[in-house]
Amino acid sequence: GEDVEQSLFLSVREGDSSVINCTYTDSSSTYLYWYKQEPGAGLQLLTYIFSNMDMKQDQRLTVLLNKKDKHLSLRIADTQTGDSAIYFCAEVSTDSWGKLQFGAGTQVVVTP
Amino acid sequence: DAMVIQNPRYQVTQFGKPVTLSCSQTLNHNVMYWYQQKSSQAPKLLFHYYDKDFNNEADTPDNFQSRRPNTSFCFLDIRSPGLGDAAMYLCATSRDQDTQYFGPGTRLTVL
Repeated sequence: GEDVEQSLFLSVREGDSSVINCTYTDSSSTYLYWYKQEPGAGLQLLTYIFSNMDMKQDQRLTVLLNKKDKHLSLRIADTQTGDSAIYFCAEVSTDSWGKLQFGAGTQVVVTP
Repeated sequence: DAMVIQNPRYQVTQFGKPVTLSCSQTLNHNVMYWYQQKSSQAPKLLFHYYDKDFNNEADTPDNFQSRRPNTSFCFLDIRSPGLGDAAMYLCATSRDQDTQYFGPGTRLTVL
């Protein structure tokens, strides 16, 4: 199985906040990423955080990093129907050059 | 806008008939990657080119090959597609080990 773990599904009401959680195993990871994938499309880079940071905010997105627990979360404020997608967290593998280790993806469904 | 382009977006081939997928980029990145993504799964790295150096993942089948004739283009060749090779194929690029940027993908159907 994957070393990066995510919950598989999240349902949220339009206008509410979404929180997607991820745990990773490689404490040497320097960057951690969040990608968004809409149906039939490629992966869109949403945001990333450097491992020496605890938090990063970018408009409606807030990334929190807890290095002690190897826990990463993505909060989407004021969730919109256009936010319905699969969200992947990923870490750069330190034992395989440049290789992104993905979680299984969290499907977010936004309901009116 | 600088971007990663994949052609075609949808490709249908027959069992055993060779097929080539194309990726180009205007980001001038020195690294190009090919990923395979099956339904409801995470992308799986097949191989990457670091400049002209080809790096194959250990579990990538021999049926998959790649060519990078220049910095901007990279091709994925599937020599004898099987039904199990039906998937979304994603190309990505990066500057060294920095952030990877993905193309829109090519959906491959094998009949």
